[in-house]
Amino acid sequence: AQKITQTQPGMFVQEKEAVTLDCTYDTSDPSYGLFWYKQPSSGEMIFLIYQGSYDQQNATEGRYSLNFQKARKSANLVISASQLGDSAMYFCATHSGGGADGLTFGKGTHLIIQP
Amino acid sequence: EAQVTQNPRYLITVTGKKLTVTCSQNMNHEYMSWYRQDPGLGLRQIYYSMNVEVTDKGDVPEGYKVSRKEKRNFPLILESPSPNQTSLYFCASSLSPEAPYGYTFGSGTRLTVV
Repeated sequence: AQKITQTQPGMFVQEKEAVTLDCTYDTSDPSYGLFWYKQPSSGEMIFLIYQGSYDQQNATEGRYSLNFQKARKSANLVISASQLGDSAMYFCATHSGGGADGLTFGKGTHLIIQP
Repeated sequence: EAQVTQNPRYLITVTGKKLTVTCSQNMNHEYMSWYRQDPGLGLRQIYYSMNVEVTDKGDVPEGYKVSRKEKRNFPLILESPSPNQTSLYFCASSLSPEAPYGYTFGSGTRLTVV
């Protein structure tokens, strides 16, 4: 079974600073994927970024990047130049094997960007 | 527009009254799943489906049923709802779990059982 640990229940960050949200995972499967989702106060789940376990390079999507350290089983999300609109809950998730059995989520980090 | 549609968005019901939350996707996705979200617990998977007539239990299936008679629809059924099923529910679908597209989520259904 997979497990995701997010150790930061909440974070306050000044606008324009970079943010790192921590995520560690536990899986025995050699093939897995790692995801980050954003959930603003409106409630919808927004897909941000994906990293496959065999990907050689860290994934990037605009201001989002995933700091993937396989040996440490770590998949931290980095948000550069934070904006007020980045305030939200952030969830790290994983699937393993073929991934057909859905996602396992962490408990989330509540990020608040302060002006 | 490609989307996952859940209905209803909000529902208040009484203990024991059977209800169904519908989920439909228009992207021809094979993979669909249901999650519930509770404060401090993140999202936990209830059931998932890999294709028509293929469903399996997730981490918290007790008290729920699902069916997948058509590719696009994946309803969640609560035969006898109880207050501990008060939660925010999400349906999600994916073309391929291994692809870097993620799962597309519906807008959520906030269920209150009194």
